[in-house]
Amino acid sequence: QKEVEQDPGPLSVPEGAIVSLNCTYSNSAFQYFMWYRQYSRKGPELLMYTYSSGNKEDGRFTAQVDKSSKYISLFIRDSQPSDSATYLCAMSEDNFNKFYFGSGTKLNVKP
Amino acid sequence: DAGVTQSPTHLIKTRGQQVTLRCSPKSGHDTVSWYQQALGQGPQFIFQYYEEEERQRGNFPDRFSGHQFPNYSSELNVNALLLGDSALYLCASSPGPGEAFFGQGTRLTVV
Repeated sequence: QKEVEQDPGPLSVPEGAIVSLNCTYSNSAFQYFMWYRQYSRKGPELLMYTYSSGNKEDGRFTAQVDKSSKYISLFIRDSQPSDSATYLCAMSEDNFNKFYFGSGTKLNVKP
Repeated sequence: DAGVTQSPTHLIKTRGQQVTLRCSPKSGHDTVSWYQQALGQGPQFIFQYYEEEERQRGNFPDRFSGHQFPNYSSELNVNALLLGDSALYLCASSPGPGEAFFGQGTRLTVV
């Protein structure tokens, strides 16, 4: 069993839709939770990071962490074609930033 | 402020050869981590350097080694290349816990 599980998709939505992306994990020691966006053949771009449980909002993006269920989510409101990319969740146990990544969900936002 | 820069962008090597990849972190970031990303997968942690020493290491063989210089830049060396080493190699720099910023990566092809 992988430490971090993520549905690979692809997920196809119309422009303007609310997108929900999710990851589950097995290691209860994870404390830091990140979401990255990766365009084809590019490096990952940090979107959000959260420490421990709770919600965090930044513009059209909201990250949620439920440590009791070992489940994290990223919501994208008013999705745009430019949001079409692969979304990676990542987690670490401690301050030292050894990240464990999901395999990524490919999102396609249709105009 | 330049982000994380990696060189070269692309590289083709023959099985059995050795390769060196380079990374310059964001200004002010003293921690550099290296990741390997196979096609369709999330990045996997190779190792991390802090204060010119390897601080953490993932499940990679000794063929993978690195170095960090006093200016925080870093190198990743891979010896005795295998076909399976073909991947996107990513460097990430961190200002603190929970945040890591990635470069564009070096795409290594082993033939």
